[in-house]
Amino acid sequence: EVQLVQSGAEVKKSGESLKISCKGSGFSFTSHWIAWVRQMPGKGLEWMGVISLSDSGTKYNPSFQGQVAISVDKSISTAYLQWSSLEASDTAMYFCVRPGAHVYGEYSWGQGTLVTVSS
Amino acid sequence: EIVLTQSPATLSLSPGERATLSCRASQSVSSYLTWYQQKPGQAPRLLIYDASNRATGIPARFSGSGSGTDFTLTISSLEPEDFAVYYCQQRATWPDTFGQGTKLEMK
Repeated sequence: EVQLVQSGAEVKKSGESLKISCKGSGFSFTSHWIAWVRQMPGKGLEWMGVISLSDSGTKYNPSFQGQVAISVDKSISTAYLQWSSLEASDTAMYFCVRPGAHVYGEYSWGQGTLVTVSS
Repeated sequence: EIVLTQSPATLSLSPGERATLSCRASQSVSSYLTWYQQKPGQAPRLLIYDASNRATGIPARFSGSGSGTDFTLTISSLEPEDFAVYYCQQRATWPDTFGQGTKLEMK
């Protein structure tokens, strides 16, 4: 069974940096990709970007290009989403997502990490 | 990017009734359409993938249909736990995109 376990909730101030994590298990970690999805309070879901678990290549939704960085440490089966300087508008729930281990379209989701940024 | 438009925005029904939710794509997504259920404070729960395939553990009252640009999620007989927000998602073209959601509320 594919499992994605995310790091805990964070409370930060504007201008601070942050790195949240998503640890995978139950699948070959170097297959396919992991994506990050944002959900602002009371709003819908937004696809931020993706990292290839085979070559660590990244691709960002233009709306998020330059605002965040996605990385991976394959030795510990963990993907990351990072900000160098948070803004209040980054306050949101963030989810990691990847394809199913047996059926590609059966996506698996992490439980979410709530990031709260105060000004 | 592909825009997904869900309708209605809100659907008010009673337990036992049939729910029909729609998702329309701005261009063809073939059958690469997924449906999710989301409750407050929770991650989206995968219901239907590739337009019509029920995910593991999803009750048979949930069904999906459609291809190309028009898709439907049907809940045959609503249970109290089905009242939530439902999203569609396409994975045909980068970036994956989501509909704005349909809130299914209890009448």
